[in-house]
Amino acid sequence: EAGVTQFPSHSVIEKGQTVTLRCDPISGHDNLYWYRRVMGKEIKFLLHFVKESKQDESGMPNNRFLAERTGGTYSTLKVQPAELEDSGVYFCASSQGRTASYEQYFGPGTRLTVT
Amino acid sequence: QQPVQSPQAVILREGEDAVINCSSSKALYSVHWYRQKHGEAPVFLMILLKGGEQKGHEKISASFNEKKQQSSLYLTASQLSYSGTYFCGVRPVGSSNTGKLIFGQGTTLQVKP
Repeated sequence: EAGVTQFPSHSVIEKGQTVTLRCDPISGHDNLYWYRRVMGKEIKFLLHFVKESKQDESGMPNNRFLAERTGGTYSTLKVQPAELEDSGVYFCASSQGRTASYEQYFGPGTRLTVT
Repeated sequence: QQPVQSPQAVILREGEDAVINCSSSKALYSVHWYRQKHGEAPVFLMILLKGGEQKGHEKISASFNEKKQQSSLYLTASQLSYSGTYFCGVRPVGSSNTGKLIFGQGTTLQVKP
């Protein structure tokens, strides 16, 4: 069974530019999450999709971040315009269910560097 | 709200044991443990649920004290492959509508030959 995949693995952009990150969850997983880890700090939640609906977007830092999951399959996270503080590793995770008993499987992450 | 992990870092020799702790100020539904190696995806190790149920790898053991909102991960007879950063993620009581995990700051474990 294929795991969670993310593209690209690395992205280096200049401040003010736009970047779009993609996540393909494990097949059949209705729940998809985005997390971010800024260097040296903890992994922080950004948002949670159930199928194509946003269940919880309480962790989205501001309106420069836009997440979509059209059709309930893959998801994209767009940052526009990017700022220096957006640098970090963006992880996607997926799970079969959303209750506390379901494990979340993480992708390898996209390392975003804003210069 | 963020759980606190201790220690922040630990260095072991192969075959030695270690305990990593995760402490929350809130009542929890569950504690999730992950290990991440540099540049790789965090790998699921174990879930410990309120009520005593556990799910995870057979070779990993952990405990969850619901009254104290504390969990401990036990690494015994450590191998070189155990090296990495260990994270606990928690689901606080009252968060049933979201799958959001709140992570600790991580514990770096290095196992030397």
